[in-house]
Formats: sequence, C-alpha cells, structure tokens
Amino acid sequence: DAKTTQPNSMESNEEEPVHLPCNHSTISGTDYIHWYRQLPSQGPEYVIHGLTSNVNNRMASLAIAEDRKSSTLILHRATLRDAAVYYCIPSFGNEKLTFGTGTRLTIIP
Amino acid sequence: DAGVTQSPTHLIKTRGQQVTLRCSPKSGHDTVSWYQQALGQGPQFIFQYYEEEERQRGNFPDRFSGHQFPNYSSELNVNALLLGDSALYLCASSLWDRGAGELFFGEGSRLTVL
Repeated sequence: DAKTTQPNSMESNEEEPVHLPCNHSTISGTDYIHWYRQLPSQGPEYVIHGLTSNVNNRMASLAIAEDRKSSTLILHRATLRDAAVYYCIPSFGNEKLTFGTGTRLTIIP
Repeated sequence: DAGVTQSPTHLIKTRGQQVTLRCSPKSGHDTVSWYQQALGQGPQFIFQYYEEEERQRGNFPDRFSGHQFPNYSSELNVNALLLGDSALYLCASSLWDRGAGELFFGEGSRLTVL
C-alpha cells in the first residue's frame, strides 16, 4: 500500500476555496488517487478520483502533480456542510481502500 | 434509489458473545466490502465479497467471517467478542467491473462490547 501524508487538521472560512493537500510519494504507476470524506456520524462518502490528469465533478476538483507524488483536493466554495474528515487513498482496481487518519476540515462561519 | 442499508444501527453485546451484522448493497451493485472503524481512527478493511466468495481479506483474525447471498446482500459475523471489537462497522458496495473507484458506504452498525 502506498503511504500517504495529510495534515491532521485545517480550517477555512465559509464561501472561500479550500485546498487539501496529500503526499503519496510511494504511489505505483497504476494506482488511482481517491478522495473520500466522512461527515460526523456518517459513513465515508466518495468525493472524486483520478489517475494523471486533473479531474472535476460537481463536488470538487482534483489536481494531480505531474510526478504523481502529491495531489490537492479543491473545494471551490466551502460551506458548513463540507466540514468533515477528508481521506486521500491511492488504490488500483478492486484493491481494498486503506484509510489513514485523514484531514479534519473545520469551516468557520 | 435506496443506498446501502445496514442493520442493526446500534447493538450492545458482552465479551464472548457472537454478533451478526447485515448489509444490503446499493441497487445494481454486486460487490460488498466491510470495514471496522474504531473511535478517532480511519476505517480498516476487513474483507470483500464478490460472487459469493471472499476476494480479499485484511489483517483480521478468523473470528471475523462473512457471507454474501445470491441477492448480493452480505453478513458479517464476529465470534468470541472482545472489548476491542467495539467499533463502528461499515459496509460499502460497488460494481466489480468499475473497481474500487466509487464505493458507497452505509451509515454503519455501532457495536459496543461490555
């Protein structure tokens, strides 16, 4: 399993963009980079995933470094509902997802 | 469209007892994975079922066992419960052909062992 490093916690003001970093320097060439989040008292929720190119969906954008050793999840306009623990997970195919401790994001009203 | 449903939502057992947790996957999904989440930690993979067979297993003892039924629903069984088995047990479903890119998780079953 590729080792990931994320900040333990981050804070952001409501309605401002948030950039959540993740280092995954031991990622293999075939691993996708997945991001999940877990809101309080809920199961994890899929956010986005990508391989090499930057990816966008209705929830977020994923920027992947050219060497793939790091990535950044971008929430374009944070709301209070975005307060959660965010997990960055390299994985391939049907491999198990290995969750670390993630980044606890606090949104300040 | 119902998502992943798990039952029961909460339960209390005593040491040495056995427990069965149940999971119905999201409609159309054929793969079920189980995770254990201790307080303050990220979820830890227990095992994955596809076509009624265990396909992958995490670092959990044989006291943890599972089953997948023809309708894709699944059960997680834990025997000889220990205090350390107290946790949130999460079920996730997916489509085997799409890989683990987009798992859908249930809200979990919270097990307390006294």
